[in-house]
Amino acid sequence: AQTVTQSQPEMSVQEAETVTLSCTYDTSESNYYLFWYKQPPSRQMILVIRQEAYKQQNATENRFSVNFQKAAKSFSLKISDSQLGDTAMYFCAFMKDSNYQLIWGAGTKLIIKP
Amino acid sequence: DAGVIQSPRHEVTEMGQEVTLRCKPISGHNSLFWYRQTMMRGLELLIYFNNNVPIDDSGMPEDRFSAKMPNASFSTLKIQPSEPRDSAVYFCASSLDRTQYFGPGTRLLVL
Repeated sequence: AQTVTQSQPEMSVQEAETVTLSCTYDTSESNYYLFWYKQPPSRQMILVIRQEAYKQQNATENRFSVNFQKAAKSFSLKISDSQLGDTAMYFCAFMKDSNYQLIWGAGTKLIIKP
Repeated sequence: DAGVIQSPRHEVTEMGQEVTLRCKPISGHNSLFWYRQTMMRGLELLIYFNNNVPIDDSGMPEDRFSAKMPNASFSTLKIQPSEPRDSAVYFCASSLDRTQYFGPGTRLLVL
């Protein structure tokens, strides 16, 4: 069975700093999808970034980028120039190519301090 | 696009009452998901529809829960009768190509 592990329950950084959130997963699949979602205090679940396993290039979305290491089964999220609005729970999620179901990590609570 | 729309945003009801949650997926999306989120259990998938047909309802907790998708632009999740342990945030999500887009959620409190 697939599992997703986020080893950092909580992190805090100063505004404008760069922060990296860790995510590792366990799978025997060769093709799959990985996602980062953020959930701010409003509880809305917001897609941050998506990565297809067959793509070697790391996905980026403005200040958000990933470091996808397929052999190591690692999928970390880097937030550059962090902003107060980045304060949220961040969830890493995995989806098999043959399936629709998201397997979620436990989440990392990120606090951006002014 | 307006995104996934859910109503109501907040619902407070008494034990034993019927609760109906509503969802309008993003236009053109062919998959719809209902989730429940609690502190204790995290995010749980309740049911998954593809092209309006329920594909997997194994996450529905018990017979008190039912979900329908009469057309491509509307789905409901009904709880009858409701119990205090049903208190949670219920999310609807839709997708076209793997990526699931979530609605704002319905915060349900059963007293």
